[in-house]
Amino acid sequence: NAGVTQTPKFRILKIGQSMTLQCTQDMNHNYMYWYRQDPGMGLKLIYYSVGAGITDKGEVPNGYNVSRSTTEDFPLRLELAAPSQTSVYFCASLLAGFTDTQYFGPGTRLTVL
Amino acid sequence: AQTVTQSQPEMSVQEAETVTLSCTYDTSESDYYLFWYKQPPSRQMILVIRQEAYKQQNATENRFSVNFQKAAKSFSLKISDSQLGDAAMYFCAYRSASERTGTYKYIFGTGTRLKVLA
Repeated sequence: NAGVTQTPKFRILKIGQSMTLQCTQDMNHNYMYWYRQDPGMGLKLIYYSVGAGITDKGEVPNGYNVSRSTTEDFPLRLELAAPSQTSVYFCASLLAGFTDTQYFGPGTRLTVL
Repeated sequence: AQTVTQSQPEMSVQEAETVTLSCTYDTSESDYYLFWYKQPPSRQMILVIRQEAYKQQNATENRFSVNFQKAAKSFSLKISDSQLGDAAMYFCAYRSASERTGTYKYIFGTGTRLKVLA
């Protein structure tokens, strides 16, 4: 099992550009999450999904969109990138009801200039 | 709403000594989980230890143990025989145990940076 994979590892965007951060898990987990981690801070939840076709907002959803068409994939879309979105983005997954442990991807460092 | 507070931005410990990292939380729920995650410079989030709120016994994983005080809403992490590889950011996290009430959302503290001195 590869676990949770994220692409790309690094990206620099210009203000106003758009991009999609990819997240895939091969553990058949039902829950998936997107977090952002600003320098020196903890993780803040952007969006989460309880299963294919079901998503909901977290603490800081503005400027982002998600979709969950399959169990494995949970892409995060940034529209009209802004400097405030410069951060490290983590994807995570969880098999609810069977384990209480989140599995994290390695993160994507995004810089918006 | 639940909150998690880590009041120590940075801690230092001498190699082979013991250090305790503090975490307090606020919740109105009676059943929940608490976690400590380690984040080394590689940025990978690594689960260190977890505690189920309904269990009285403090969790232990090798050199890592917790002091869980439910009434005080305190969840500290003790690292014994500190090693250079323990140097990292440590995050405390809360999760509701009930999918109905918490939808398995995690709340993270702001972290404590641990330095281990040789």
